[in-house]
Amino acid sequence: DIQMTQSPSSVSASVGDRVTITCRASQGISSWLAWYQQKPGKAPKLLIYAASSLQSGVPSRFSGSGSGTDFTLTISSLQPEDFATYYCQLANSFPLTFGGGTKVEIK
Amino acid sequence: QVQLVQSGAEVKKPGASVKVSCKASGYTFTGYYIHWVRQAPGQGLEWMGWINPNSGDTNYAQKFQGRVTMTRDTSISTAYMEVSRLRSDDTAVYFCARERVATITGLFDYWGQGTLVTVSS
Repeated sequence: DIQMTQSPSSVSASVGDRVTITCRASQGISSWLAWYQQKPGKAPKLLIYAASSLQSGVPSRFSGSGSGTDFTLTISSLQPEDFATYYCQLANSFPLTFGGGTKVEIK
Repeated sequence: QVQLVQSGAEVKKPGASVKVSCKASGYTFTGYYIHWVRQAPGQGLEWMGWINPNSGDTNYAQKFQGRVTMTRDTSISTAYMEVSRLRSDDTAVYFCARERVATITGLFDYWGQGTLVTVSS
């Protein structure tokens, strides 16, 4: 199985900060990478698919990049509603696997 | 609008079975694969498998083979996921999720609200 490793596991940031989260795959996965946001008690929400494509309705302050084994999710200017846990996910290769999550907390 | 509505919370004893439902609305149920993902308390997300609502074909993660069964009833646009021989470490929130496109890619654009299954003696 392909393992997905996220870092950091948590980050403290202020409103307006630029936040970057990384995800590394244990082997090359081309651009088959998605990012989800999850708030407490809620289902995950798809933000980015195919490594860099913005899901419909997601604010443009979210962006994704990378291919092969190394990927990043960037929030260009953190907003109050962005405090949540973020997961990367391997797509199009089964079994699907998720990273361990990155909790974005208020500084 | 697309909605996936899951059944309510369950409390089960070890060794029992649980069946969670996921009722779809707002789109053609047979047109999109449904996946199941679970999340243990305070933990990350774990993919369990998928079902093709059109054909009934399934694919389970190795970890769950032999203990998980995914089915569907197209007449009521509902998918089901049953876990047998429950253990305490099956305590989790179980989510159904819809494929983003009408093929199998493992990208989920709509999710159910989650069903908490608690396994306790």
